[in-house]
Amino acid sequence: DAKTTQPNSMESNEEEPVHLPCNHSTISGTDYIHWYRQLPSQGPEYVIHGLTSNVNNRMASLAIAEDRKSSTLILHRATLRDAAVYYCILRDSNSNSGYALNFGKGTSLLVTP
Amino acid sequence: EAGVAQSPRYKIIEKRQSVAFWCNPISGHATLYWYQQILGQGPKLLIQFQNNGVVDDSQLPKDRFSAERLKGVDSTLKIQPAKLEDSAVYLCASGVGFGGTLQQSPTGELFFGEGSRLTVL
Repeated sequence: DAKTTQPNSMESNEEEPVHLPCNHSTISGTDYIHWYRQLPSQGPEYVIHGLTSNVNNRMASLAIAEDRKSSTLILHRATLRDAAVYYCILRDSNSNSGYALNFGKGTSLLVTP
Repeated sequence: EAGVAQSPRYKIIEKRQSVAFWCNPISGHATLYWYQQILGQGPKLLIQFQNNGVVDDSQLPKDRFSAERLKGVDSTLKIQPAKLEDSAVYLCASGVGFGGTLQQSPTGELFFGEGSRLTVL
């Protein structure tokens, strides 16, 4: 699987936008970009995913670079509840491997009041 | 809709003892995954099932770990004998499954349980 690179940690003030970057320079044409987050003492939860176009949902937005070698997860107004570890994961849509997620270390987001 | 259920939430054992974790996935989900998460690291896949068949167990330490999914629903992960380095959170996840492309499952998302925290002394 292609690998992703994320900063170890980031900090944001409450109610401000947060941009979480992810580099994936070896991404293949069939790789979807998935984001999950893990709140303290909980299992990971799905946030958003995309292939080529930018995506929006109720939780966040995903901005994908034109060459697809990087992407950014955008939280429009960070709340204290958004403090979590955010994982950027590539998933091959043509894989017959059961679509398992291969997690890296992710970015630990700290939100301060 | 009920989520993925796991038990026990916490378990403390001594090394060389055995332990078992149970997972009940979301109803109708064909795929089931067990992950190991050591403190400070991302989850690591141990094994994945499609219905009651194993799809990938390449990262499962088979000399001490075993897992089964009877009747394609609930699953059990067992460790015997446990080592100190097995101290971790064991996460179970389920998904709608595969059989073509991700287009058959729009988000392809996996749903995780809260995990079972194991401490080996």
